[in-house]
Amino acid sequence: RKEVEQDPGPFNVPEGATVAFNCTYSNSASQSFFWYRQDCRKEPKLLMSVYSSGNEDGRFTAQLNRASQYISLLIRDSKLSDSATYLCVVPSYNQGGKLIFGQGTELSVKP
Amino acid sequence: GAVVSQHPSWVICKSGTSVKIECRSLDFQATTMFWYRQFPKQSLMLMATSNEGSKATYEQGVEKDKFLINHASLTLSTLTVTSAHPEDSSFYICSAPRLGGQLNTEAFFGQGTRLTVV
Repeated sequence: RKEVEQDPGPFNVPEGATVAFNCTYSNSASQSFFWYRQDCRKEPKLLMSVYSSGNEDGRFTAQLNRASQYISLLIRDSKLSDSATYLCVVPSYNQGGKLIFGQGTELSVKP
Repeated sequence: GAVVSQHPSWVICKSGTSVKIECRSLDFQATTMFWYRQFPKQSLMLMATSNEGSKATYEQGVEKDKFLINHASLTLSTLTVTSAHPEDSSFYICSAPRLGGQLNTEAFFGQGTRLTVV
């Protein structure tokens, strides 16, 4: 089993749609989780951090299910500018900043 | 503004030559930095962990003699791709964690370097 595994993409949705991505992780000791957004040919940028059961920031909601070891990202009312690759990231436990990346899910929002 | 600066942002080199990529933390000290590589349509794959004052730790399958890492100071790590070949063409990106405890460590990324070997 991969350390971090994401939904395969791409997701093609119309503007205004709600879209959800899932991510599973293998290390039950993991304490914190991140969703990063990566635009084409750019570095990843932090979108949301998840430390407890979930986090919400405007149209974006991240939820954590420790029992099932998965994290989800929900995007409501999607915009054209949301088109990007979304990366689920789990810090390697006790390895000071080493990040394990999921393979990424590509989102394309169409008019 | 950027807290991790990576240079150059893109480079084209001839096969057989070496290329050096720099990664600097701008307003904090980073005893550890990470180097990733990303091929098209794939995720970031960790290549090595750069440790200030000691040898780098390489991930399985990454040739340490080909990808030389030097972490000369608390704010600078360099990755040198030696004897580059077309298959080394990729997006290389560094990351420096700003440590604040297990739950408060945030990773900052450099802008990335797009290497094309012709």
